[in-house]
Amino acid sequence: QSALTQPASVSGSPGQSITISCTGTSDDIGDYNYVSWYQQHPGRAPKLMIYDVSKRPSGISNRFSGSKSGNTASLTISGLQAEDEADYYCSSYTRTSTWVFGGGAKLTVL
Amino acid sequence: QAQLVQSGAEVKKPGSSVKVSCKASGGTFSSYGIRWVRQAPGQGLEWMGEIIPIFATTNSAQKFQGRVTITADESTSTAYMELSSLRPEDTAVYYCARGNWGAKYFEFWGQGTLVTVSS
Repeated sequence: QSALTQPASVSGSPGQSITISCTGTSDDIGDYNYVSWYQQHPGRAPKLMIYDVSKRPSGISNRFSGSKSGNTASLTISGLQAEDEADYYCSSYTRTSTWVFGGGAKLTVL
Repeated sequence: QAQLVQSGAEVKKPGSSVKVSCKASGGTFSSYGIRWVRQAPGQGLEWMGEIIPIFATTNSAQKFQGRVTITADESTSTAYMELSSLRPEDTAVYYCARGNWGAKYFEFWGQGTLVTVSS
C-alpha cells in the first residue's frame, strides 16, 4: 500500500485560508468516506482534527474543515493563527482493511 | 477523559526484540480498537497494526507481518506491541492510538515510546 500524496509544505499569513491536499487511489480515499486528518507539533503526539472526511471532534475549532472529491481529500484551515503552524497528516482506511498515511505537510504561518 | 500511557524509551541491539506497552483509562477497554503507528526520525506516520479486544482479532500491515505481535490484557486495560528481528531502520517513536472498534480513525494517542536500535 503506497502512502497518500501530500505537498511537503504550505504557507499562509495570519488570517488567511490555506488548503492541504491528499491524493490517494480508488483503493483508499476513492472507495471510502474514512479520511482523517492529524495535527502534530514538534515533539508531540498527533492530534485528531477531522474524521470521516468532514467531521470535527469535540473541541476542534470550526476553522478546520475537510472535504473529498474522487481520490483526493482536502483540509482547509481558515483564519490562520500562529498556533496552527505544525505538520499535518492525512490518513485513509483502505480496501485491504488497513490504514495508510500521507507523507505529511509542514504548515508555516508567515 | 480517555488517556493512553506508554512505557519508557528503549535501546536495543540489532536482531533483538522490543515490547512496548500502552495502558488505557477512560471508557470500556474491550470496545476499543488499539492501533500502533510509528514515526522514524524526521519522517511521516506509518500504521503497523491493531487489536480489537472485544473480538480478539488482530490485523497488521503486510510490511510487518511475521515480525510484529500485538496483544491485549483486558484485566489491566493494557495493549502490547512486540517487534522482533530489530534493525537500525526500526529506530522510531512508536505510538498507540485508540478508537471505538468500528471507528476508522485514531481518536486518542499515547505519548509515544522512542525505540533506538543500535549496536
